Amino acid sequence: AQKVTQAQTEISVVEKEDVTLDCVYETRDTTYYLFWYKQPPSGELVFLIRRNSFDEQNEISGRYSWNFQKSTSSFNFTITASQVVDSAVYFCALSGVTDKLIFGTGTRLQVFP
Amino acid sequence: KAGVTQTPRYLIKTRGQQVTLSCSPISGHRSVSWYQQTPGQGLQFLFEYFSETQRNKGNFPGRFSGRQFSNSRSEMNVSTLELGDSALYLCASSLGQGAGRSYNEQFFGPGTRLTVL
Repeated sequence: AQKVTQAQTEISVVEKEDVTLDCVYETRDTTYYLFWYKQPPSGELVFLIRRNSFDEQNEISGRYSWNFQKSTSSFNFTITASQVVDSAVYFCALSGVTDKLIFGTGTRLQVFP
Repeated sequence: KAGVTQTPRYLIKTRGQQVTLSCSPISGHRSVSWYQQTPGQGLQFLFEYFSETQRNKGNFPGRFSGRQFSNSRSEMNVSTLELGDSALYLCASSLGQGAGRSYNEQFFGPGTRLTVL
């Protein structure tokens, strides 16, 4: 069975702090995809990144970076120098051979000025 | 290019009623997926339609159904509404290529917030 665990329910930081959101996944598929989505108060899910199971290269996009480690089945997301606009709920998700997304329970990030 | 649109954005119904939600995918996208988001259960996959056929289905009772039209627009219907059906219903569209494809990026709409009283 596929499963995504985001153990951190809520994180509060002060602006400019770095913050890491944890994601651990379970799957028996050899080919799979991992995602991070951001959900602002408006409700729409905003795509941030996708990685496939064969590409363990870490990625950096501006203040965002992702650390994918198959050995620990983790796909963690770090925001450097957080900003108030980063406040949202962040979801980690997993997909196998179909496009069906299995979401974690989300981590609510609050960034205070 | 216009994004995924969902109508209505907000809806209030009473128990026992039925409801139909609509989703218009991005132009050229042939796959539409539906998700339910509740505080208790989180984001859960309902079903996916591709070329007017249901291609994938989540673990929801038969009261939840959907369909897709030839223009790829999709509707989902919930009959005999229960209080627990109160949720944000999200629709996502993708190109949805055939079997053996690599992953198709899914683009989400703003959702329909359904409240059942």
